[in-house]
Amino acid sequence: DQQVKQNSPSLSVQEGRISILNCDYTNSMFDYFLWYKKYPAEGPTFLISISSIKDKNEDGRFTVFLNKSAKHLSLHIVPSQPGDSAVYFCAASETGNQFYFGTGTSLTVIP
Amino acid sequence: KAGVTQTPRYLIKTRGQQVTLSCSPISGHRSVSWYQQTPGQGLQFLFEYFSETQRNKGNFPGRFSGRQFSNSRSEMNVSTLELGDSALYLCASSWNPGTGANEQYFGPGTRLTVT
Repeated sequence: DQQVKQNSPSLSVQEGRISILNCDYTNSMFDYFLWYKKYPAEGPTFLISISSIKDKNEDGRFTVFLNKSAKHLSLHIVPSQPGDSAVYFCAASETGNQFYFGTGTSLTVIP
Repeated sequence: KAGVTQTPRYLIKTRGQQVTLSCSPISGHRSVSWYQQTPGQGLQFLFEYFSETQRNKGNFPGRFSGRQFSNSRSEMNVSTLELGDSALYLCASSWNPGTGANEQYFGPGTRLTVT
């Protein structure tokens, strides 16, 4: 069963605009969430994280929002740049246990 | 600080054979996790090792096994290879996920092709 879901396989955004990537989860025990970025032929690169005690975490152009009641998190990239074009994975875990990953969203930023 | 390294990067094997993949974590990291990535399936968790002990295990058959050495390096073994085992195998290390928020750092992966 897929405990972490990314329902949009792909997303296209114009350069300079906001990119919003979404992720839903089913396990209410998850307390730590991460976003990774992956380029072809490379391993995923850690981008940003958030723990369940927060509802927002910001790092430069990247902001992650967590809505625990909806079991939903999102990654906002503002402004989007062509170099942001990659596959983005969200992941979730309950402390001490394995990470569950979504199937990824392929972001294309159009110059 | 050197990142996570995985060897080999590419591997071609025949059905029925076995394969061993290697992962060296970031220095100081004690936890190593293995994932299988296939198109459309995202990253599927195989297992996690900490201090030479398997701490978590995913839903993969017993043909998939692993171990961790005292220097935290880890190996993953797949026996009796099947065509469906063709995938990118990723290794990730972290300091210790069990003690709170710990992001994982991934290696470049080993691309296994079974023919």
